[in-house]
Amino acid sequence: AQSVSQHNHHVILSEAASLELGCNYSYGGTVNLFWYVQYPGQHLQLLLKYFSGDPLVKGIKGFEAEFIKSKFSFNLRKPSVQWSDTAEYFCAVNAGLGGGSNYKLTFGKGTLLTVNP
Amino acid sequence: EAQVTQNPRYLITVTGKKLTVTCSQNMNHEYMSWYRQDPGLGLRQIYYSMNVEVTDKGDVPEGYKVSRKEKRNFPLILESPSPNQTSLYFCASSPGTGRTHNEQFFGPGTRLTVL
Repeated sequence: AQSVSQHNHHVILSEAASLELGCNYSYGGTVNLFWYVQYPGQHLQLLLKYFSGDPLVKGIKGFEAEFIKSKFSFNLRKPSVQWSDTAEYFCAVNAGLGGGSNYKLTFGKGTLLTVNP
Repeated sequence: EAQVTQNPRYLITVTGKKLTVTCSQNMNHEYMSWYRQDPGLGLRQIYYSMNVEVTDKGDVPEGYKVSRKEKRNFPLILESPSPNQTSLYFCASSPGTGRTHNEQFFGPGTRLTVL
C-alpha cells in the first residue's frame, strides 16, 4: 500500500524566508503527486500536481515542487514566503492506475506553516 | 460556479442518533469520495464511488455507509454515531474517466462532534 511521509509537523518562518517542505512516498510504480493547501477554516485547495514530464512543476502563488524519482520525493518550495502563506500543507499521492481503479489520494499527515510578519 | 457542497457544516449530536451528511457536486464528476481529517493523521479515505450505484470501502469505512443513487450526490450516513467519529469530514469529487492525475475538488468540510 502506498504511504506518504511529511518530515516536518510544524514550520515557523519569518516573512521573506525561503521554504522547503519535505515529502516522501512509498510506492514502486507510476505515481501522481499533489500538494494541497488548507488555509485556516477552509477546505483543501490544489497548489500543484505532477503526473509526467518536467519534474519541476510550478503551481499557484509562487509555489513549485520537484519530483525526484530516485529519492521518492516531491518537495515543495517557495523562495520567499508571506504572512498569507500561513496554512497547513498536505502532500498526496495517487497510484498511476488506469480506469476502474480507486482514484484515492493517500495524504501525508500535513505540515503546519506559520509565517510571522 | 463549479463546486462541491456539504451540509451541514457543523453538527453536534449524541451517541447512537443516526445522521446523514450530504454532499453534492455540480461538475458532472464520475468519482466522489469521503475523507475524514483528524489532527496528526492527515486525511483518510472512508468510502468512494466510481459512478452511480458503484461504491467501495476506503481505508476507514467502519461505522459509515454511503449511497450513490444520482451522479451528483454522495451522502455519508452514520447509522449509530460514536464519539470516535468526532472529526472533520470532507467530500471530494473528480472527473474520473481513467485519468488519475485529475485534481480532486474538495467541499468545505463538516465538523461533527458526537457526545
